[in-house]
Amino acid sequence: QVQLVESGGGAVQPGRSLRLSCLASGFPLRNYAMHWVRQAPGKGLEWVAAMSYDGTTDHYAESVKGRFTISRDNSKNRVFLQMNSLKVEDTGIYYCARLGSIVAAMRGRLDSWGQGTQVAVSS
Amino acid sequence: DIQMTQSPSSLSVSVGDRVTITCRASQDISNSLNWYQQKPGKAPDLLIYDASLLETGVPSRFSGSGSGTDFTFTINSLRPEDIATYYCQQYDHLPLTFGQGTKLEIK
Repeated sequence: QVQLVESGGGAVQPGRSLRLSCLASGFPLRNYAMHWVRQAPGKGLEWVAAMSYDGTTDHYAESVKGRFTISRDNSKNRVFLQMNSLKVEDTGIYYCARLGSIVAAMRGRLDSWGQGTQVAVSS
Repeated sequence: DIQMTQSPSSLSVSVGDRVTITCRASQDISNSLNWYQQKPGKAPDLLIYDASLLETGVPSRFSGSGSGTDFTFTINSLRPEDIATYYCQQYDHLPLTFGQGTKLEIK
C-alpha cells in the first residue's frame, strides 16, 4: 500500500537549517508530483511547496520562497525539503503528500499523506 | 492567492446528527475543491475530491456539493468516529489554500 514516511525534523535555533526527507513506498514515485504541507501548533494546514513528477518544476508559498527548496530523487524514492534561514514561525509539523493525479498535474487532491515530522524553531 | 472561508469554525454535535459545513472561495474555482478529515495527532485524510466525488473507501454518509465559489460538505447521521476537524482546500491555482478548519465536538 502507499506509504510516506517523513524524517529529519528536530529542534533548531532561528537562522539555522534543516533538511526533511520523505521516503515513498508502494507506488512509483516517478509518476507523481509531491507536496509539502505544514501545520503550526494548534493551527490549520498551510501548503508549503510542490515539485513535478520529474523534478523540473517547483512552486513555493510566499512565506518560504527563497529559504526553502524542494527536491526529489526518484531513483531512491525520496522527496526532500531543504529549509534554510529558519524562523520561529516555521515551527510545526511538516507533512509530505502525494498528488492524486499521474504525471503532468501539479494541482489536485492530496490523496496520501505521511505521518509528519516535527520542526521546532526557537532560541 | 485564493482565500477559502470555512464556516462554522466549530460545531457542537450529537451522534446521529446531520452536519453541514460550508466553504466559500474568494473567486470562481469551478469544482476544484477537496475536503479532508483530520483527527488529533494524525495526518489529514482525503474524503471528497472535485467538490463531490467520494474518495475510495470513504463511507457514503460523507458527501460534498457546490461549484464556483460556494461549497457544502455534509455528514449524514454522524458517528462517534467522525469527531475530527474538517478542512476544505482549493486547487484551482497554486498556492493550494485551505479553509481554517471546522472542529466537531460532542454536545
